[in-house]
Amino acid sequence: NAGVMQNPRHLVRRRGQEARLRCSPMKGHSHVYWYRQLPEEGLKFMVYLQKENIIDESGMPKERFSAEFPKEGPSILRIQQVVRGDSAAYFCASSPPGLAKGNEQYFGPGTRLTVT
Amino acid sequence: DQQVKQNSPSLSVQEGRISILNCDYTNSMFDYFLWYKKYPAEGPTFLISISSIKDKNEDGRFTVFLNKSAKHLSLHIVPSQPGDSAVYFCAATSNTGKLIFGQGTTLQVKP
Repeated sequence: NAGVMQNPRHLVRRRGQEARLRCSPMKGHSHVYWYRQLPEEGLKFMVYLQKENIIDESGMPKERFSAEFPKEGPSILRIQQVVRGDSAAYFCASSPPGLAKGNEQYFGPGTRLTVT
Repeated sequence: DQQVKQNSPSLSVQEGRISILNCDYTNSMFDYFLWYKKYPAEGPTFLISISSIKDKNEDGRFTVFLNKSAKHLSLHIVPSQPGDSAVYFCAATSNTGKLIFGQGTTLQVKP
């Protein structure tokens, strides 16, 4: 029973390049959440998705960031034209179908993005 | 606006003693509160939660207390063990699925 999988674990991009972060939820989970942790800070909510739907993207920066959770395949967080300030740890969490209570969010190990 | 605050960045306790981690919140719409534990280079792991209709929840060595009037919650770990050394995050939600996290408190348990 594999947990939430994220890849890559580490990603280095030069300024201006694109970053693609992948998240495979736990088996049977249909809700995915993305959080970002900047150095010395707590996790900040970015977006909440269900299959083929964005439910809440109130934490997503207005430009350069997008997220999807297609019918088949992993959820993707895409950052276009990365800047140094995008360097952070990006965590994905998943939860089962139905109303998501906080204790049912299971986190992946994170992707550490470094922009040089 | 920091809706969930952990004002102590770090805490050090002796093995066997009690660890008390504190958390304050401002949004009265929050109805569920959680504590997560995080080791370096890993994702947060759920520890314990409490609904706003309760004032205490206990699970083994971990107890969470909620004081709604003060908008304050705390996590008690008794007895503390060296393996408890980690960063502890308090989080809150208003049943939207979205978790709002505090900044974290680094707990060090000395043998």
